[in-house]
Amino acid sequence: DGGITQSPKYLFRKEGQNVTLSCEQNLNHDAMYWYRQDPGQGLRLIYYSQIVNDFQKGDIAEGYSVSREKKESFPLTVTSAQKNPTAFYLCASSVQAQAYEQYFGPGTRLTVT
Amino acid sequence: GENVEQHPSTLSVQEGDSAVIKCTYSDSASNYFPWYKQELGKRPQLIIDIRSNVGEKKDQRIAVTLNKTAKHFSLHITETQPEDSAVYFCAASMAGTALIFGKGTTLSVSS
Repeated sequence: DGGITQSPKYLFRKEGQNVTLSCEQNLNHDAMYWYRQDPGQGLRLIYYSQIVNDFQKGDIAEGYSVSREKKESFPLTVTSAQKNPTAFYLCASSVQAQAYEQYFGPGTRLTVT
Repeated sequence: GENVEQHPSTLSVQEGDSAVIKCTYSDSASNYFPWYKQELGKRPQLIIDIRSNVGEKKDQRIAVTLNKTAKHFSLHITETQPEDSAVYFCAASMAGTALIFGKGTTLSVSS
């Protein structure tokens, strides 16, 4: 299960605050991804990055921002513009962003009240 | 963009029976179709995948079939066991893009 880590496991924030979720990998993977998981909704893509300093929006990017300054790190910021931020967030990485297995981190459960 | 539909959303079987989960995709350019298993409280893990140049792939009790013409693919689990109980996700992608997942199927295997 090593190789891709997310911290913290649980995160609590007040409404109106921005919060940054950490994702780190030591697999030397080029591509990294952020998904949001809600009950009955599957895994919905927020952002993904194929290489350093480049990233693309997924299906539900509104209210989120990312950066990819280093190959091994892909932090996700949940901004106050995200209307329903409480969810389980999963980070993943793959060798490349095409037809390769994605390895998932353990996830961060964010609760905003 | 790609859209993946997955059915059924829940599936209950008796131990030893077979289970089949079906997915359809919208973009004919998709060429990679993995299946992930997520046990309660754990991260999704790949159990089997298939590429568009192959029609069927087997790994012990698990098999995946792909029909490119109809744009659908299926997961088959034979001789189900209680430890097969989990949420299963199908996904699809094409070159240079991220996986798009179905909404998942909760499989319950009762002994």
